[in-house]
Amino acid sequence: QKEVEQNSGPLSVPEGAIASLNCTYSDRVSQSFFWYRQYSGKSPELIMSIYSNGDKEDGRFTAQLNKASQYVSLLIRDSQPSDSATYLCAVIKAAGNKLTFGGGTRVLVKP
Amino acid sequence: GAVVSQHPSRVICKSGTSVKIECRSLDFQATTMFWYRQFPKQSLMLMATSNEGSKATYEQGVEKDKFLINHASLTLSTLTVTSAHPEDSSFYICSGRAGATDTQYFGPGTRLTVL
Repeated sequence: QKEVEQNSGPLSVPEGAIASLNCTYSDRVSQSFFWYRQYSGKSPELIMSIYSNGDKEDGRFTAQLNKASQYVSLLIRDSQPSDSATYLCAVIKAAGNKLTFGGGTRVLVKP
Repeated sequence: GAVVSQHPSRVICKSGTSVKIECRSLDFQATTMFWYRQFPKQSLMLMATSNEGSKATYEQGVEKDKFLINHASLTLSTLTVTSAHPEDSSFYICSGRAGATDTQYFGPGTRLTVL
């Protein structure tokens, strides 16, 4: 079992719709959770971090964390063609430890 | 967010030569820097973790004598690929983390092509 798992996609969504991305992690003691966006040929850029159970909203993005289910998700509202990218879920087990990345979900937003 | 730069952005070299990549944190002090490698259509693979003033900690399977990492200051880390071979061709990405936080900020990456 991989430490951080994501559906590789592609997840195809029409412009203006909500894109829903899921991520599960295996280590129950994981503390910090991140979503990064990576465009083809570019490096990852941080979308948001989440540390506590519940929802965290930042603009069109909402991260949801459920530690009991070992599940973190990302919602992208009003999806735009510019949101077409690979979205990486990353987890840190303990403070100061390294990031463990999922394989990424490729999102395609069609006009 | 915090800004990390890398130089060069792209490098082409001959097999057997050494290549140095610089990673700088521009607006924060990166007590820890990380070096990743990414092959096409794959996720990031952590190569090593370096703390300022200390020797780098390499991940299993990464040759420390081939990938030399120096983190001499809180704003600069370098990765030197020694005696590069075509199989070392990849996208090398660094990230920096400020002291008390968990968040890593990534540089733009360096695309290395070894002929």
